[in-house]
Amino acid sequence: GDSVTQMEGPVTLSEEACLTINCTYTATGYPSLFWYVQYPGEGLQLLLKATKADDKGSNKGFEATYRKETTSFHLEKGSVQVSDSAVYFCALSPFTGGGNKLTFGTGTQLKVEL
Amino acid sequence: DSGVTQTPKHLITATGQRVTLRCSPRSGDLSVYWYQQSLDQGLQFLIQYYNGEERAKGNILERFSAQQFPDLHSELNLSSLELGDSALYFCASGSGIFSGNTIYFGEGSWLTVV
Repeated sequence: GDSVTQMEGPVTLSEEACLTINCTYTATGYPSLFWYVQYPGEGLQLLLKATKADDKGSNKGFEATYRKETTSFHLEKGSVQVSDSAVYFCALSPFTGGGNKLTFGTGTQLKVEL
Repeated sequence: DSGVTQTPKHLITATGQRVTLRCSPRSGDLSVYWYQQSLDQGLQFLIQYYNGEERAKGNILERFSAQQFPDLHSELNLSSLELGDSALYFCASGSGIFSGNTIYFGEGSWLTVV
C-alpha cells in the first residue's frame, strides 16, 4: 500500500539556519504530495503541495519539489525563525478515483532556538 | 482558522462508554474525513464521506461509526470505549474527491478515556 517515510526528529536548529526535512514515498501512479504543519495545540495546516512531477510547491519561505525519479518531496527553507517551531508532516493523496484520503508520515518536530 | 469546526474540543469519559464527535465542514465542501492522531499510531485515516455517502474507509474499528447528514455536517460515534482509544480526533473537509484537492483540518477533539 501507499506509505510515506520522513526523517526522525526532533530537529533542533539555530535561528537563520537552513532547514531540510527529508520525505520519500511509495505509491502507484502519480500521487499528489503535501506538507502540513501542526503548531502546538493546534490542528493541521496545509503548508504547500505539488500535484505532478517536477512541480515545486512554496509558501512562507518553504519549498518542496516533487521528484518522481527519487520518489521524494523534501521540505526546505533557507532561513528558519523561532516561529517555525512545529511538527511537520509529509503526506500523499493517491491518483485514484476511490477517494483522496491522505496518507501521512510520522511527523518531524522542528525546534528553532535563538 | 480553517473553517472546519469540531465539537467538543475536549472530552473525558470512562471505559465502556459511548461518545459522539461532531464536525461542520467548510462552507461548500462536500467531502468530510475523520482522522485519529495518537502517539503510537501517528495520524491514521478512519473514513471519508462525500455528499452523504461513504467514499473510502481506513483503519476504523467496528466499534466506531460515522455518518454525514444532508446539511453536510458529520458525526463520529465511538462506542465501548477502551483506554487505547484516547487520542486526538481530527475532522477535515475538502471540495472534491480527486488527488490534489486541498483538505482542510479542524482543530481536533481531544478524547481521554479513563
